[in-house]
Amino acid sequence: DGGITQSPKYLFRKEGQNVTLSCEQNLNHDAMYWYRQDPGQGLRLIYYSQIVNDFQKGDIAEGYSVSREKKESFPLTVTSAQKNPTAFYLCASSPGRSEYEQYFGPGTRLTVT
Amino acid sequence: AQSVSQHNHHVILSEAASLELGCNYSYGGTVNLFWYVQYPGQHLQLLLKYFSGDPLVKGIKGFEAEFIKSKFSFNLRKPSVQWSDTAEYFCAVNPSSGGYQKVTFGTGTKLQVIP
Repeated sequence: DGGITQSPKYLFRKEGQNVTLSCEQNLNHDAMYWYRQDPGQGLRLIYYSQIVNDFQKGDIAEGYSVSREKKESFPLTVTSAQKNPTAFYLCASSPGRSEYEQYFGPGTRLTVT
Repeated sequence: AQSVSQHNHHVILSEAASLELGCNYSYGGTVNLFWYVQYPGQHLQLLLKYFSGDPLVKGIKGFEAEFIKSKFSFNLRKPSVQWSDTAEYFCAVNPSSGGYQKVTFGTGTKLQVIP
């Protein structure tokens, strides 16, 4: 059963703590993405990776970090430097060419208090 | 850089009413266009896409969209909505090329269908 898994579904952290969100895909896709979804703002790109060991900043990368050590995994760390980390985070993957759609995971809702 | 506008933020319709959701983009070159849907509690998924050929594209569940290049538009339509169409709809665009291009999403339109 191919797809994208994100864990956990809900995550709670205290302010000042770093937290890592997991994203795994078994679709053999080259490209992976992290988006942040806030009400009324749509999806905003945080980071993306086209191939293993390479990643690029998106529109709102400040306060976030990623790694891409394996093709199937693209974890996102929300650092204490992110000023407004409470949000819904979506991971996606695609074969990489521009005409292909992205496939999305179920998302992780992070609440920082 | 490209941008996408979805002017309808929240639409409420009765069942069997017709639907048209607006999507306009700005970009100087050729583009690929997508509509994604997020049903309550479900993953964001592709509804339909355009990348070349017939500008009228058909998607799942009776949805269609028409690419009008002169208007930079890609409006989503459905002749008769059902309660199960209640969801949030996102328009997205990326420049056409053989390789990776960044996708830009609109702010989304929440559709509520009343039985």
